[in-house]
Amino acid sequence: QSALTQPASVFGSPGQSITISCTGTSSDVGGSKYVSWYQQHPGKAPKLMIYEVNNRPSGVSNRFSGSKSGNTASLTISGLQAEDEADYYCSSYTSSTTLHVFGTGTKVAVL
Amino acid sequence: QVQLQESGPGLVKPSETLSLTCTVSGGSISYFSWNWIRQPPGKGLEWIGYMRNSGTSNYNPSLKSRVTISVDTSKNQLSLKLSSVTAADTAVYYCARGDLKFDPWGQGTLVTVSS
Repeated sequence: QSALTQPASVFGSPGQSITISCTGTSSDVGGSKYVSWYQQHPGKAPKLMIYEVNNRPSGVSNRFSGSKSGNTASLTISGLQAEDEADYYCSSYTSSTTLHVFGTGTKVAVL
Repeated sequence: QVQLQESGPGLVKPSETLSLTCTVSGGSISYFSWNWIRQPPGKGLEWIGYMRNSGTSNYNPSLKSRVTISVDTSKNQLSLKLSSVTAADTAVYYCARGDLKFDPWGQGTLVTVSS
């Protein structure tokens, strides 16, 4: 089971919106409603930002939203802020024996 | 709220067994599924496996022959054993709660495999 494909980096200015893609296959992203997104600041543990494609846990800003089309899931951050600068990972439950696969990770930089 | 704390040796010799513990506080370990996830320095996340509250476990096929995950409900602890380690097993190891999503996570513990 290969890692899900994400862009290595995405850049944006404060206040802008950015979108991070996460591409898999019909065995994972395309065939699962259990796609989640994690934010990781340097030296810190990942934090759940989106689960089941487009649900936000309590306490997560509504500037973060998720969606999915076919084999590609997306995370959109609107009103970009300096504190959003971090690495972001997608994850999907899969129908393969691996069960859970993560994305390659995307570094978000706020210019 | 539930908090997780990993602990164990920070240095393990090649070919030996890596053993880590995750202590759960603020809630019972009995009612959820618990995972181990690792992250090599400067790299991405890799799911290692989980133990369900039903007692069943499931592991990443790439590690299955070397991994054992167990739960001690009397101590509210999750354990990981990874045998025959090599330098490729050097990583930050995290424990995390969940079946279909991972929340919350422990702070992680760095394990270096080196002689």
